[in-house]
Amino acid sequence: AQSVTQPDIHITVSEGASLELRCNYSYGATPYLFWYVQSPGQGLQLLLKYFSGDTLVQGIKGFEAEFKRSQSSFNLRKPSVHWSDAAEYFCAVGAGNRDDKIIFGKGTRLHILP
Amino acid sequence: DARVTQTPRHKVTEMGQEVTMRCQPILGHNTVFWYRQTMMQGLELLAYFRNRAPLDDSGMPKDRFSAEMPDATLATLKIQPSEPRDSAVYFCASGPGLANEQFFGPGTRLTVL
Repeated sequence: AQSVTQPDIHITVSEGASLELRCNYSYGATPYLFWYVQSPGQGLQLLLKYFSGDTLVQGIKGFEAEFKRSQSSFNLRKPSVHWSDAAEYFCAVGAGNRDDKIIFGKGTRLHILP
Repeated sequence: DARVTQTPRHKVTEMGQEVTMRCQPILGHNTVFWYRQTMMQGLELLAYFRNRAPLDDSGMPKDRFSAEMPDATLATLKIQPSEPRDSAVYFCASGPGLANEQFFGPGTRLTVL
């Protein structure tokens, strides 16, 4: 079965700085990969997804993620964060070639310094 | 813009009372998921359905929780009797398939006194 790890529970960056949130997965075949964002008091919102093809995926709100098979990673990046990006971010992995639910990581909480 | 809706958004109840939470999935989605989120445990999968049939409810306390889909437009999560440890935010999500992305509702914040 697939699994996903988000090594960082909390990350703090200054407004305007670049951001990279880490996500590592375990799955034998090509996975489906997702990043979600949860703002305070809200449900989870899909930022971007990877199923196949170009390994650099563009999402909403200026985010992108890169699938690196050799590193079993799908890290989320943003070149310049805004105070409104403060939220919790969840990585999720799906077994693309199997009929099984996606698995969520435990989340990384992003704090933004003014 | 299709969205998952959940009612009520907030619920305060006393220990021992029955609580029913409702979810309307996005039209055309064939999978529905129920999650619970707390500060201590994070996001936990309680149960999920495909084509209205329950696939797995191993994440739920069996003796007090039940989840059903009376029809394709309604999923319910019931707690009877409720306990203070059930206080959490309960999310419903729907999707076009098990391995595909899930679309989350805004959640029901439950407080059991």
